[in-house]
Amino acid sequence: EVQLLESGGGLVQPGGSLRLSCAASGFTFSGYAMSWVRQAPGKGLEWVSTLSGSGGSTYYADSVKGRFTISRDKSKNTLYLQMISLRAEDTAIYYCANSGYDSSAYYYPYWGQGTLVTVSS
Amino acid sequence: DIVMTQSPDSLAVSLGERATINCKSSQSVLYSSNNKNYLAWYQQKPGQPPKLLIYWASTRESGVPDRFSGSGSGTDFTLTISSLQAEDVAVYYCQQYYTTPPAFGQGTKVEIE
Repeated sequence: EVQLLESGGGLVQPGGSLRLSCAASGFTFSGYAMSWVRQAPGKGLEWVSTLSGSGGSTYYADSVKGRFTISRDKSKNTLYLQMISLRAEDTAIYYCANSGYDSSAYYYPYWGQGTLVTVSS
Repeated sequence: DIVMTQSPDSLAVSLGERATINCKSSQSVLYSSNNKNYLAWYQQKPGQPPKLLIYWASTRESGVPDRFSGSGSGTDFTLTISSLQAEDVAVYYCQQYYTTPPAFGQGTKVEIE
């Protein structure tokens, strides 16, 4: 059974940094693209970033490009999202999502429970 | 980038009645080489992550009740709940995965009338 467990969220001041983690189990990272999708309070879903199955390609939404970095540790089966220069508009629940395929855009059968990031002074 | 627009933003339907949600993409998500529409539907209940209902516009995910169905092609799609149940109260999203960035509609809130 595929399980995704996010952690690392919290309260951070504007301009600050945070690193989110997504521990995956039930499947092997290699060969599958992994993504982050966020949801601002009371709002809709917004794709943030995807890391290819090989780990060699990364994709970002324009709203986070240059500020967020997606990466993974294959030995730990863990996906990361390093976030710097955080803004109030980055406040959201961040979900880790897996498509079960190696594609930069696909549908997502697998989601974590999410971790809340709040950017506020 | 492809923009997804859902209608209506919310709807109230009586128990047992049909609920219909529309989704329109700013460009076609039909891939001509395999004749597949790169369109998915999700259900999200409060405090939960989204749940995949439909992919390839009309293929029901395993375990999803058959009262949920998807239709449409090209730029216009529909999610139909044939007989609304109390547990179907949720927000529903469409998503295109034809191209990067994948994009979601703004959501449609379904309530009981």
